[in-house]
Amino acid sequence: SYELTQPPSVSVSPGQTASIACSGDKLGDKYAHWYQQKPGQPPLLVIYEDNKRPSGIPERFSGSNSGSTATLTISGTQTMDEADYYCQAWDSNTVVFGGGTKLTVL
Amino acid sequence: EVQLVESGGGLVQPGGSLRLSCAASGFTFSDLYMDWVRQAPGKGLEWVGHIRNKVNSYTTDYAASVKGRFTISRDDSKNLLYLQMNSLKNEDTAVYYCARPRSGSGYYFDYWGRGTLVTVSS
Repeated sequence: SYELTQPPSVSVSPGQTASIACSGDKLGDKYAHWYQQKPGQPPLLVIYEDNKRPSGIPERFSGSNSGSTATLTISGTQTMDEADYYCQAWDSNTVVFGGGTKLTVL
Repeated sequence: EVQLVESGGGLVQPGGSLRLSCAASGFTFSDLYMDWVRQAPGKGLEWVGHIRNKVNSYTTDYAASVKGRFTISRDDSKNLLYLQMNSLKNEDTAVYYCARPRSGSGYYFDYWGRGTLVTVSS
């Protein structure tokens, strides 16, 4: 079965750029999507189809996907961006999530 | 406004059954596929399965971990999505989310419910 791999944790200082990677076999041939989840809340879509932002998501969130790695980039990271982030793809009629990355802003 | 509201969670013994519901509003429910996603306490997101729309014969797909035990169904006349869970195991303990997928070029979830907690324990 298809797998997506994320680092368990990433740390960033406020105002700096955070990058969260998601790797999978030929992931660049699929679409990657990203969700933000804060404690006690459902996931929130922040990037879809590799690099598109839903309405209401700040411009500091961006995405890319090439080769075997998709990347979520948060520019000018704010303390409110501290959360868990999950990548997701579609493969063989199933939805696959990465294991999640805890972003710490300190 | 799109709303998804899950219900039916609770405590159930191993081997038992439970049926979850998801009430949808604010969009044309019958047009879309619908999915269930779960999250065990302190763990990541796990896709459970989905049901297609009438045009696609209401066919379903499931994660290997629940196939043969869980059944997804829908009632388009009531805008309701269901998850019938049988032969429950301790490892099925999780918050269960109903999620609305968009399936243009990709397949992703633009709306989620707040979830309902299922606890499997003796």
